[in-house]
Amino acid sequence: SYVLTQSPSVSVAPGQTARITCGGNNIGSKSVHWYQQRPGQAPVLVVYDDSDRPSGIPERFSGSNSGNTATLTISRVEAGDEADYYCQVWDSSSDYVFGTGTKVTVL
Amino acid sequence: QVQLVESGGGLVKPGGSLRLSCAASGFTFSDYYMSWIRQAPGKGLEWVSYISSSGGTVYYADSVKGRFTISRDNGKKSLDLEMNSLRAEDTAVYYCARVKYSYGYLDYWGQGTLVTVSS
Repeated sequence: SYVLTQSPSVSVAPGQTARITCGGNNIGSKSVHWYQQRPGQAPVLVVYDDSDRPSGIPERFSGSNSGNTATLTISRVEAGDEADYYCQVWDSSSDYVFGTGTKVTVL
Repeated sequence: QVQLVESGGGLVKPGGSLRLSCAASGFTFSDYYMSWIRQAPGKGLEWVSYISSSGGTVYYADSVKGRFTISRDNGKKSLDLEMNSLRAEDTAVYYCARVKYSYGYLDYWGQGTLVTVSS
């Protein structure tokens, strides 16, 4: 089965940049999507197809994908960005696969 | 605006059954694939099941295959998940989500409904 690995936590000061990585075998050949889940709330799509943003998502959220690592970058981090972030791909043998999740803490 | 509202969660004993529903509004339901995703307390997201726009194609995670059945009623704009032979490890918040295109991303999620399997 296909596995996506994320670092458990990232801490960042307000105004700085947070980078959240998602590792998977040849993930660069797949489309990667990212979801934000604030405490007690449902997930929200923040980046799709590696680097596109849904309407209403700030430009501060960006994504990239190459080789064995996809990255979600949050620029000029705000207190409201504190949440869990999950990457996700579709794999022909595993169907929908979610990453293990990364907790972003704003210091 | 797109709205997905789940219902049907609750407390059930191991081995029991439960039926979850998801009411959709704000979009042409019959045009979209739909999916169920769950999240055990304090854990990450786990995909459960997926159904095509017509209902003719369904997929299940290995962890629920043979116990859960996904279905939809396009006329009523509703998505269901029939859950049988429930186990403690099925305890989770269950979310329904709209699939943007076949095997694509999940662009809208409901608020979730909690299923607790315990004696």
